[in-house]
Amino acid sequence: NAGVTQTPKFRILKIGQSMTLQCTQDMNHNYMYWYRQDPGMGLKLIYYSVGAGITDKGEVPNGYNVSRSTTEDFPLRLELAAPSQTSVYFCATKTSGRYNEQFFGPGTRLTVL
Amino acid sequence: GENVEQHPSTLSVQEGDSAVIKCTYSDSASNYFPWYKQELGKGPQLIIDIRSNVGEKKDQRIAVTLNKTAKHFSLHITETQPEDSAVYFCATIPAGAGSARQLTFGSGTQLTVLP
Repeated sequence: NAGVTQTPKFRILKIGQSMTLQCTQDMNHNYMYWYRQDPGMGLKLIYYSVGAGITDKGEVPNGYNVSRSTTEDFPLRLELAAPSQTSVYFCATKTSGRYNEQFFGPGTRLTVL
Repeated sequence: GENVEQHPSTLSVQEGDSAVIKCTYSDSASNYFPWYKQELGKGPQLIIDIRSNVGEKKDQRIAVTLNKTAKHFSLHITETQPEDSAVYFCATIPAGAGSARQLTFGSGTQLTVLP
């Protein structure tokens, strides 16, 4: 099993460009999350999903969009990229249940110039 | 919303010594406290967690203690080894997290174990 995979690993965007960060899991987990990690700031939740067709905003959703058409995939869309979106992005999954572990992907390092 | 403060931001210890990382939280209704380890170039990975109904939990060289009255919890690593060098994050699930049980993370501690 691959677990949680993210593509691409690295990307450089110009201001105003758009892109989609891909996240795929083969763990059959209902819950999926997108975080961004800035230096010294921990992980901030961008969006999350409790199942196919259901998404909701996290702490820092502005400038991003998500969709969840299948259990496996949870892409994160950046429209009109800005330097403030330079960060490392992590996707995570979890089974249902109150105290279950979140499993993280390897991350995507995005630079907006 | 929940606020989680983590200290120190960096910690260097000699191999074989102990390391302690502390976190405080603001939501007294928080009831789950995991610790994640992030190695260079990888995503975070759960190493230990504790629920609010216990005060301490151990797993080999790692332990977590919880003081609900003071609203703080700590990670203790004994007999540190070079492979313990990583960034460590504390987290909580605040009462208002809803069905997705989303985590609120601390800002992280860079632990370096010196040979």
